[in-house]
Amino acid sequence: EPEVTQTPSHQVTQMGQEVILRCVPISNHLYFYWYRQILGQKVEFLVSFYNNEISEKSEIFDDQFSVERPDGSNFTLKIRSTKLEDSAMYFCASSERGELSVGQYFGPGTRLLVL
Amino acid sequence: AQSVTQLGSHVSVSEGALVLLRCNYSSSVPPYLFWYVQYPNQGLQLLLKYTTGATLVKGINGFEAEFKKSETSFHLTKPSAHMSDAAEYFCAVRKTSYDKVIFGPGTSLSVIP
Repeated sequence: EPEVTQTPSHQVTQMGQEVILRCVPISNHLYFYWYRQILGQKVEFLVSFYNNEISEKSEIFDDQFSVERPDGSNFTLKIRSTKLEDSAMYFCASSERGELSVGQYFGPGTRLLVL
Repeated sequence: AQSVTQLGSHVSVSEGALVLLRCNYSSSVPPYLFWYVQYPNQGLQLLLKYTTGATLVKGINGFEAEFKKSETSFHLTKPSAHMSDAAEYFCAVRKTSYDKVIFGPGTSLSVIP
């Protein structure tokens, strides 16, 4: 069964450093998403991406965050200058287009620790 | 705006007992509803989903959920709990097939031997 993959699985960084989290969505999917989950809290939506542009973003997704689909397979989340509060699990997800496909497939996550 | 509430942040059941995890949603239109499970230090796994049609939905690992529009509920049940069911369970809602997923706060299920 096709799946969403994410790299790295864990990342430790120093406060103020830039990090790039990578995702490979399912190949025929057109909608891409990033979510995060701070330890012990619920999963929160960050951003959705379609047709090479952001379609929706949450309040969390400020100027420190950016997303990109640099080629036909990867989808990245960049945090320019990490803060302690960015420590969380980051999940990538993707969806097909159309009402027939409702499922949103999540990757295994990248655990980011900012020191 | 859509939202999801889950009654009980923590539920404990004995092994072999009924599991009931409650979920209520608010939505102005019939939504798509989901239950996800998260085992310790792992990602999100889709347990089951409701789209249209039959209101009783069966998922993996013996779980099922019933969509009750009149009660705006989508409670998750399993007749007999197993130790391996111990995990965090998230109810979620989605407005369209490509909209973002909105998660509830989660319910941590413990299974007592």
